[in-house]
Amino acid sequence: IAGITQAPTSQILAAGRRMTLRCTQDMRHNAMYWYRQDLGLGLRLIHYSNTAGTTGKGEVPDGYSVSRANTDDFPLTLASAVPSQTSVYFCASSDTEREAQYFGPGTRLTVL
Amino acid sequence: AQRVTQPEKLLSVFKGAPVELKCNYSYSGSPELFWYVQYSRQRLQLLLRHISRESIKGFTADLNKGETSFHLKKPFAQEEDSAMYYCALSGPRGFKTIFGAGTRLFVKA
Repeated sequence: IAGITQAPTSQILAAGRRMTLRCTQDMRHNAMYWYRQDLGLGLRLIHYSNTAGTTGKGEVPDGYSVSRANTDDFPLTLASAVPSQTSVYFCASSDTEREAQYFGPGTRLTVL
Repeated sequence: AQRVTQPEKLLSVFKGAPVELKCNYSYSGSPELFWYVQYSRQRLQLLLRHISRESIKGFTADLNKGETSFHLKKPFAQEEDSAMYYCALSGPRGFKTIFGAGTRLFVKA
């Protein structure tokens, strides 16, 4: 692994289903983030983690949950997907909160 | 309230013309400002940050604290500069990075 990866690349999901988006980084960054990217709205922070074992809510956390069991992985779970969660999801990491962020390739999620 | 504003959703210029993507911010402390770029079907990547004061791919950005702006400039646009550009602001520990809504730059041949 080089940098930050996400899986799956894209997914079509029926409303009401549970879905976990995966994110892994190998840069030993302390902070990790999940954003959603929607046309005209830019990037909105869903959840973040400043260090392994801690998480926090961002701007649009409702309907999403995260965990940070170790430094490398930061999965995002949609417990019961709804169509408004159709978006492109980006995971990012940074050494500290103040530093530049490195982004994953994104997951395009469609909820029908 | 902390805010990053990119007033233009779309900016279209001809190849060889100067380009300026505007970014204004609202923040009471000492900000760290960044420009990120997202080329078609690629991930976002850091273009430059104000603290490094460097030029990347011909782009520069100067932090103007008086006008609370961090506009991105390039004297001669190239077709390969066509992309989505995001201005972002971060602060001290505990402050989450804020992104602007983005400006799509389209450079015409």
